[in-house]
Amino acid sequence: DQQVKQNSPSLSVQEGRISILNCDYTNSMFDYFLWYKKYPAEGPTFLISISSIKDKNEDGRFTVFLNKSAKHLSLHIVPSQPGDSAVYFCAASDTDKLIFGTGTRLQVFP
Amino acid sequence: DSGVTQTPKHLITATGQRVTLRCSPRSGDLSVYWYQQSLDQGLQFLIHYYNGEERAKGNILERFSAQQFPDLHSELNLSSLELGDSALYFCASSARSDRVTGELFFGEGSRLTVL
Repeated sequence: DQQVKQNSPSLSVQEGRISILNCDYTNSMFDYFLWYKKYPAEGPTFLISISSIKDKNEDGRFTVFLNKSAKHLSLHIVPSQPGDSAVYFCAASDTDKLIFGTGTRLQVFP
Repeated sequence: DSGVTQTPKHLITATGQRVTLRCSPRSGDLSVYWYQQSLDQGLQFLIHYYNGEERAKGNILERFSAQQFPDLHSELNLSSLELGDSALYFCASSARSDRVTGELFFGEGSRLTVL
């Protein structure tokens, strides 16, 4: 049973535009969420996180929004850059481990 | 560079064989996590060790086992290998033992191919 879902396997966005990556979860007990970015042949690297007591967290070009009632979070990247092309994983903190979604491959084209 | 080292990077073996994957966590980190990423799948949690003790188990097969040694490095042992065990195996480390509210630092992974 997939507790963290990323329903869009891929997304293509033009450079300079906004990229919006979505994530849904099923367990209302999750209280901390993270986004990781993964380039080919590398391990995932931490991007941004949000606690369930907040609905928004911003770090430079990256903003994560949390809608607890909908059990939905999204990552906004503005403006998108070619170097943002990677696979993005959403993760939820479950006691002492992270549960990951299946990832969304973002391609930013010129 | 995350500071987490995994060896080997690539491994090709045959069905029925046994392999050992090794992970050295970041300096000072006591927690080691193992994740499996199969084709088009997310990262599936396998097991978590903290300072030598097993803390949590995910959907880890009985053919798989892990341990964390006194020097904090960890090994994941995969035996009686099947074709479906072909995957990327990631190790991650963190300083904490409990709820993950900060980042986990991932190694580059070990790609296992079972033929």
